Amino acid sequence: SQQGEEDPQALSIQEGENATMNCSYKTSINNLQWYRQNSGRGLVHLILIRSNEREKHSGRLRVTLDTSKKSSSLLITASRAADTASYFCATAPWGAQKLVFGQGTRLTINP
Amino acid sequence: DAEITQSPRHKITETGRQVTLACHQTWNHNNMFWYRQDLGHGLRLIHYSYGVQDTNKGEVSDGYSVSRSNTEDLPLTLESAASSQTSVYFCASSLLTSEGTDTQYFGPGTRLTVL
Repeated sequence: SQQGEEDPQALSIQEGENATMNCSYKTSINNLQWYRQNSGRGLVHLILIRSNEREKHSGRLRVTLDTSKKSSSLLITASRAADTASYFCATAPWGAQKLVFGQGTRLTINP
Repeated sequence: DAEITQSPRHKITETGRQVTLACHQTWNHNNMFWYRQDLGHGLRLIHYSYGVQDTNKGEVSDGYSVSRSNTEDLPLTLESAASSQTSVYFCASSLLTSEGTDTQYFGPGTRLTVL
C-alpha cells in the first residue's frame, strides 16, 4: 500500500499564483523526495529533503518536512503554464534503497 | 550523457503470451527498479535489484519476474500476460549509497495493453 498520501488530488490555479501540495506518510523515513511527471512521460526528480532537515529550496520550489507530524509540503511560487504536471512525493524508509510513492497531485496552471 | 531507456515504448499482446520489457541504463547505477502506474494507484513497485544477480520482490510482484545478469539491464518478464497487467511500466535506477535511498532516474515508460 502507498505510504505517502498527497493532498489535494487535483489543484487548478491561475498562472502567477502559488501552488501548495501536501504529503503525509506513516512510518519513519530517511528522506522524502518530490518528483514531477508531465503527461505521457517518466518521472523527474525535483528535490530531496533528509529527515534531519526542515526546509529546502530549489529555484521556485520550497519543500518543508515535519517529521513529528509525518508530513511534507511542496510550494511552487509564481506558477507557470509549464508547471502543469502531476507531482508525487516518495518516502525512503530507513535501511532500504527503495522508494514508496504516493498517488500524486495533478496540478493545472491556467493562463 | 547518461540515460535510461525502455523498449518497446508501446506493446499490444494477447492474454497468455509471455512478454519481456527491456530496461537499459548507462548511469552505472547498482540499483534498478520496475514500477507500474495505474489510474488511482500511483506508482507501485514490482521488482527491484541492488546489483548483479540480486533481485527482490516488490509490492505487486505476482505474475512478473526479473533477472540481473549485468549492471546495465533489468528486463521485466510477464510469464503469462493477463488483462489486469495492462498498465504503463516504468524502469528507474539509482546509486547504491550508505546514506539511504538516493535520487531515482526514470525511463520514458512502456505502455502495455493485454487483450
